Amino acid sequence: DAGVTQSPTHLIKTRGQHVTLRCSPISGHKSVSWYQQVLGQGPQFIFQYYEKEERGRGNFPDRFSARQFPNYSSELNVNALLLGDSALYLCASSPGTSGGYQETQYFGPGTRLLVL
Amino acid sequence: EDQVTQSPEALRLQEGESSSLNCSYTVSGLRGLFWYRQDPGKGPEFLFTLYSAGEEKEKERLKATLTKKESFLHITAPKPEDSATYLCAVQTGGYQKVTFGTGTKLQVIP
Repeated sequence: DAGVTQSPTHLIKTRGQHVTLRCSPISGHKSVSWYQQVLGQGPQFIFQYYEKEERGRGNFPDRFSARQFPNYSSELNVNALLLGDSALYLCASSPGTSGGYQETQYFGPGTRLLVL
Repeated sequence: EDQVTQSPEALRLQEGESSSLNCSYTVSGLRGLFWYRQDPGKGPEFLFTLYSAGEEKEKERLKATLTKKESFLHITAPKPEDSATYLCAVQTGGYQKVTFGTGTKLQVIP
């Protein structure tokens, strides 16, 4: 079975631009979460989506937004990119049978974003 | 605010030299504690989930344990392929916000 997939794998943007990152969860998983991982740090929670609704949001500015589609895939959008947005963006999925409560998350390979 | 602290930051072992990694946490209402392995430039790979104090889980050379304040990842007779960053994370609250530590970078030398 395919795991969590993310696209693109790498991306280079300039300051002020907009970026869209995509994620397909494990088949049958209904919950998707997004994380930002800066080099040398642990992943930081950005969003959780369950059944197309936002269930949780981390301490990130409104430039960050996301959505989940009927097939449970998800997009993360970042507007007005800053140099500090350069990071590995990780998507994780879980079954969602309990809304994500006490569920293990499985991560994708990530999208490496470089902002120049 | 939930806090997760991992120690040591880096660990260098000879092949076959057993050791333990520590994850201490300060949270209100632990729902689950997770261990992941991460190779450079890749996403975290799931290892273990622990839910309550006293719980233990094993997989090959790895064993994870949980108390009310900390978790240990014991590595028995490590091999060079065990070299990676090991991440600890905790889930609290009713949704899936997971707070990660900064990781322990393990290097196993042949």
